[in-house]
Amino acid sequence: KQEVTQIPAALSVPEGENLVLNCSFTDSAIYNLQWFRQDPGKGLTSLLLIQSSQREQTSGRLNASLDKSSGRSTLYIAASQPGDSATYLCAVNQGGKLIFGQGTELSVKP
Amino acid sequence: AAGVIQSPRHLIKEKRETATLKCYPIPRHDTVYWYQQGPGQDPQFLISFYEKMQSDKGSIPDRFSAQQFSDYHSELNMSSLELGDSALYFCASSPRTGNNSPLHFGNGTRLTVT
Repeated sequence: KQEVTQIPAALSVPEGENLVLNCSFTDSAIYNLQWFRQDPGKGLTSLLLIQSSQREQTSGRLNASLDKSSGRSTLYIAASQPGDSATYLCAVNQGGKLIFGQGTELSVKP
Repeated sequence: AAGVIQSPRHLIKEKRETATLKCYPIPRHDTVYWYQQGPGQDPQFLISFYEKMQSDKGSIPDRFSAQQFSDYHSELNMSSLELGDSALYFCASSPRTGNNSPLHFGNGTRLTVT
């Protein structure tokens, strides 16, 4: 059974710092991996999708990497801003459905 | 660009009542997924449909049922509601161009059972 783990569960950083969020999964037989952002009580906003054959994807200040063989992905956020404060979820696509990690709650202090 | 539309946004029901949640996928998306996110928890897969047929089933209680209609919209029917059913219910859609397609999520329906 696929299990997705995110570390740390919560992170607080001062504005301007670069930071890394970690995601690990136990079964490497995945189609792709998506990173989402979720504001409190709100919906899921897709940030980046990495196909199983890819190593990384970039969008603005965000960079996501994937090492499928070791079951790991990282989300790198450069020059963090208070507006980046949210919960970040990674999800692996296995058999067409997503299996989510429990998220990292990020707080960026001004 | 059109997104996944869910209705209602908020729903308050009492125990043992019935609720119906609706989902309108992105045009030309023929696959719909339902997820349940309890307070402080990650989204859990409930059920999915492809071309109006159930394609996969997750941790969906027997009290719940769902279907996809000819226009590809989907409805999640929940009966004998329990306090523990209070959660955010998400619908997602994708084009069935293969399992590499990203899922696009709606803003969710917040169900509160009192």
